[in-house]
Amino acid sequence: DTGVSQDPRHKITKRGQNVTFRCDPISEHNRLYWYRQTLGQGPEFLTYFQNEAQLEKSRLLSDRFSAERPKGSFSTLEIQRTEQGDSAMYLCASSSGGQGTNEKLFFGSGTQLSVL
Amino acid sequence: AQRVTQPEKLLSVFKGAPVELKCNYSYSGSPELFWYVQYSRQRLQLLLRHISRESIKGFTADLNKGETSFHLKKPFAQEEDSAMYYCALRSFNNAGNMLTFGGGTRLMVKP
Repeated sequence: DTGVSQDPRHKITKRGQNVTFRCDPISEHNRLYWYRQTLGQGPEFLTYFQNEAQLEKSRLLSDRFSAERPKGSFSTLEIQRTEQGDSAMYLCASSSGGQGTNEKLFFGSGTQLSVL
Repeated sequence: AQRVTQPEKLLSVFKGAPVELKCNYSYSGSPELFWYVQYSRQRLQLLLRHISRESIKGFTADLNKGETSFHLKKPFAQEEDSAMYYCALRSFNNAGNMLTFGGGTRLMVKP
């Protein structure tokens, strides 16, 4: 499968623990996005990278969340001191860029986080 | 602030019946609208975008700026259309594709 890959598929953790997710975008895609989706809701934008630069971060993202894309390829999303409200599906998407609606996002299967 | 509303959580129709999935948006600028679809056990994927004015799998959507709507339509629903559908908005000044999604509508097409 040459699509966007996310690991792990599922993560169960206890409140207060730190978790880290990984996203491998489609090869040579320079843009990478993280979205979060809670039950019954649509995806919600978290942050976005162009190559290794983090260009945008949602105001909704608390400082417990941090994302990196050190070499402009894979990305990691870390949540520190997890809370039950962090339980959600975390989606990664990548694209080769382009202007406006010419840019097409390719989504991964997501990482389902459950905080007990 | 931009907002996308999909008033129906669930839409159930019989095969061959027309389908209309509603989407309303709130945005002060010039929006770009998309429909995304997620079939069972598959990834979220782009269905169509308003600027292309295309028909994909028999679906069309027209941007109505007066009514701030972007409803998705298909004249004759097929069972394979059963899926979760999300309307999304991209604000014009975004450098990237930072989309605002609606809450989604589950379409069930019964045989």
